[in-house]
Amino acid sequence: DQQVKQNSPSLSVQEGRISILNCDYTNSMFDYFLWYKKYPAEGPTFLISISSIKDKNEDGRFTVFLNKSAKHLSLHIVPSQPGDSAVYFCAASDYGQNFVFGPGTRLSVLP
Amino acid sequence: ETGVTQTPRHLVMGMTNKKSLKCEQHLGHNAMYWYKQSAKKPLELMFVYSLEERVENNSVPSRFSPECPNSSHLFLHLHTLQPEDSALYLCASSQEPRDRVPYGYTFGSGTRLTVV
Repeated sequence: DQQVKQNSPSLSVQEGRISILNCDYTNSMFDYFLWYKKYPAEGPTFLISISSIKDKNEDGRFTVFLNKSAKHLSLHIVPSQPGDSAVYFCAASDYGQNFVFGPGTRLSVLP
Repeated sequence: ETGVTQTPRHLVMGMTNKKSLKCEQHLGHNAMYWYKQSAKKPLELMFVYSLEERVENNSVPSRFSPECPNSSHLFLHLHTLQPEDSALYLCASSQEPRDRVPYGYTFGSGTRLTVV
């Protein structure tokens, strides 16, 4: 049973528009969340994180929103660029423990 | 090269072979991890080494044997693998959480393993 879910395996967005990637989790003990981006033939690279004491964290074009009551987080990319095309993994952690990763969402940004 | 280097990048091995995957990090991290990435599945944690001691192995089959001789190097020894073990094997490192604030991981590029 997956504790971290990304229900959209793929997403296509026009360049310049907003990309919204969603992630749901089931374990209420999770209190720290990260997004990773993965290009083909490379390992995942850290993108942005958020702890459960916040509901929003912003870094340039990337914003992560956390809704603890719904056990839901989302990553917004504005504006989307072709170089953002990659697989995005959501990961969750119970502080001090290891991370659990979602299956990933493949984002395609069309020029 | 990134701070976490994995070799080889690609490996094809027969089911009776013995091979090893290597991971090296120069980030001063004190924890290292092996992950398995199979097609259409989430990343699966295989092994964790913290301060050179194995702390978790997540019930991985014994045909996978990790070794961590020091905080900068991590190996995954492979023997008598099965075709279903074909996957991308990722190494990662991190600074062990202090005050319960994890720092996140730095991943290597992975070894694409094919078992024939």
